[in-house]
Amino acid sequence: GAGVSQTPSNKVTEKGKYVELRCDPISGHTALYWYRQSLGQGPEFLIYFQGTGAADDSGLPNDRFFAVRPEGSVSTLKIQRTERGDSAVYLCASSLGYGTAYNEQFFGPGTRLTVL
Amino acid sequence: AQRVTQPEKLLSVFKGAPVELKCNYSYSGSPELFWYVQYSRQRLQLLLRHISRESIKGFTADLNKGETSFHLKKPFAQEEDSAMYYCALSASNTGKLIFGQGTTLQVKP
Repeated sequence: GAGVSQTPSNKVTEKGKYVELRCDPISGHTALYWYRQSLGQGPEFLIYFQGTGAADDSGLPNDRFFAVRPEGSVSTLKIQRTERGDSAVYLCASSLGYGTAYNEQFFGPGTRLTVL
Repeated sequence: AQRVTQPEKLLSVFKGAPVELKCNYSYSGSPELFWYVQYSRQRLQLLLRHISRESIKGFTADLNKGETSFHLKKPFAQEEDSAMYYCALSASNTGKLIFGQGTTLQVKP
């Protein structure tokens, strides 16, 4: 079946602009994660949704970053007043749920964000 | 603090040689550990997890709580093993993954 999809695959924007990144999880997966991967680094956790609610947003770097998942499926990561330091690959992952038997995370291809 | 350390950015071996990718972790609890792999132009995917104790593509990893390590091993490397490998730790209550910086494995013919 279809895996996790993310759009756009690439986004180039100017400093100060607003961007939205979309994630379509695997159908039936209740858990959804956003990570950010800077060049030469491993993915860094941003936020986790269980259903519609953000269960853990401790990784969001500041209040310019916000994410929603209004119907418990598609999620949108929103970044206001983008800065050059926001340039990275933004990864989305989904899993059946939480707990050892269900927590394998399946990753999307990522959105490469470049802030000029 | 929860942390995963992969000390080698690059590991280069010849085909048929043994491989060991190092991973050390810091976690105040009972960890769940994973190895993820990213082949060229592909997405990040799970290679193996310590609780399943499986061997995937000839790779194994043993959790050593005394040394807080979860090294990935393969006795005979193949060229198709060339990829970026990430060790990750799962924080138990949310399942969020904490990744190491990654090690590029290069298997030369």
